[in-house]
Amino acid sequence: RKEVEQDPGPFNVPEGATVAFNCTYSNSASQSFFWYRQDCRKEPKLLMSVYSSGNEDGRFTAQLNRASQYISLLIRDSKLSDSATYLCVVNGDDYKLSFGAGTTVTVRA
Amino acid sequence: DAGVTQSPTHLIKTRGQHVTLRCSPISGHKSVSWYQQVLGQGPQFIFQYYEKEERGRGNFPDRFSARQFPNYSSELNVNALLLGDSALYLCASSLEGQGLYQPQHFGDGTRLSIL
Repeated sequence: RKEVEQDPGPFNVPEGATVAFNCTYSNSASQSFFWYRQDCRKEPKLLMSVYSSGNEDGRFTAQLNRASQYISLLIRDSKLSDSATYLCVVNGDDYKLSFGAGTTVTVRA
Repeated sequence: DAGVTQSPTHLIKTRGQHVTLRCSPISGHKSVSWYQQVLGQGPQFIFQYYEKEERGRGNFPDRFSARQFPNYSSELNVNALLLGDSALYLCASSLEGQGLYQPQHFGDGTRLSIL
């Protein structure tokens, strides 16, 4: 079983729509969680950290469910510039980050 | 302030050769990690160095090695290159070792092609 699993998508949504997707992780000892976005052939960039109580950053909302071992990301009022691959990232207690394969989101005009 | 810088940006090698990739972390960051990303997959952890010591190692063969220098810059070395080593190699730095709530910041990567 992969350490971090994501629905690859693609999620094709119109501008202004809401899109949400999840990621599951296998290591129950995982302690830190992040969402990164990656544009085609570019480096990953930190979108937001995910805190136990859930957190929001503008149009983006992240949730963590430790009991079920999943993380979610919700994007409201989608913009064309939100088109990217979103990487779920989990940090266990062994000094490494584990990345999911990414969820592709395409926002159309 | 400058971000994480990597060199070279692109590299073409042939099977059997060796390669050295370089990374300079963000000023003040003491931890450097290396990742390999092949097309269609997320980055895979190779190494983490903190204060010049190897702190973690991913599931890569001994052909892969790295080191960190006193100025916290780092090199990744790959020997006896194989076609499967073709990938984007990413370096990331963070303030400390991968402790709680310490996100990593990535460089633009080195795109390595093996012919």
